[in-house]
Amino acid sequence: GAVVSQHPSRVICKSGTSVKIECRSLDFQATTMFWYRQFPKKSLMLMATSNEGSKATYEQGVEKDKFLINHASLTLSTLTVTSAHPEDSSFYICSARDGGVDTQYFGPGTRLTVL
Amino acid sequence: KQEVTQIPAALSVPEGENLVLNCSFTDSAIYNLQWFRQDPGKGLTSLLLIQSSQREQTSGRLNASLDKSSGRSTLYIAASQPGDSATYLCAVIKAAGNKLTFGGGTRVLVKP
Repeated sequence: GAVVSQHPSRVICKSGTSVKIECRSLDFQATTMFWYRQFPKKSLMLMATSNEGSKATYEQGVEKDKFLINHASLTLSTLTVTSAHPEDSSFYICSARDGGVDTQYFGPGTRLTVL
Repeated sequence: KQEVTQIPAALSVPEGENLVLNCSFTDSAIYNLQWFRQDPGKGLTSLLLIQSSQREQTSGRLNASLDKSSGRSTLYIAASQPGDSATYLCAVIKAAGNKLTFGGGTRVLVKP
């Protein structure tokens, strides 16, 4: 089946630094990728929809200058958490849509801890 | 705005018992509904996808039903095993290529 990878799987950083998370579709082209955030024992909250070659669409309440999304190719989208603070600590999951079969495949997630 | 609710939030059963997980959604105009499994600290694994025109899907011990008009889906897991312990999430999509709206999940514990 289709595979989506995320890197890194786990990151710890100091408050005020920026962290970049990569989401890659390994064996299909993803015109659309989605970024989710998940708090402990909670469900996934959609942060933004990323379309290749265009600006991301952010959900209400998500700061676009705080969470920078770039979808420069059909297999790669990146989420950069700028000037991270402890409240940004969370589990970030991406998904990639395979337009050929109209299905979303999820990455394994990235655990971000901001000290 | 679509809202997806899963009841119960947590469930504990002895091994061998059948599991029944419920999902309800407020807007019946959906494209499809998916059930996912999530292990602690891991990503999501798709279990079953039901198109809006379908009433159920089956895969092994798993069976999911969909009643679009009443905004409900049920996931049945037969003869539960300790390895079935995980969080189960349902999600609906309004249109092809659109975003998924997730329920809060049901945490399942199957005791040996």
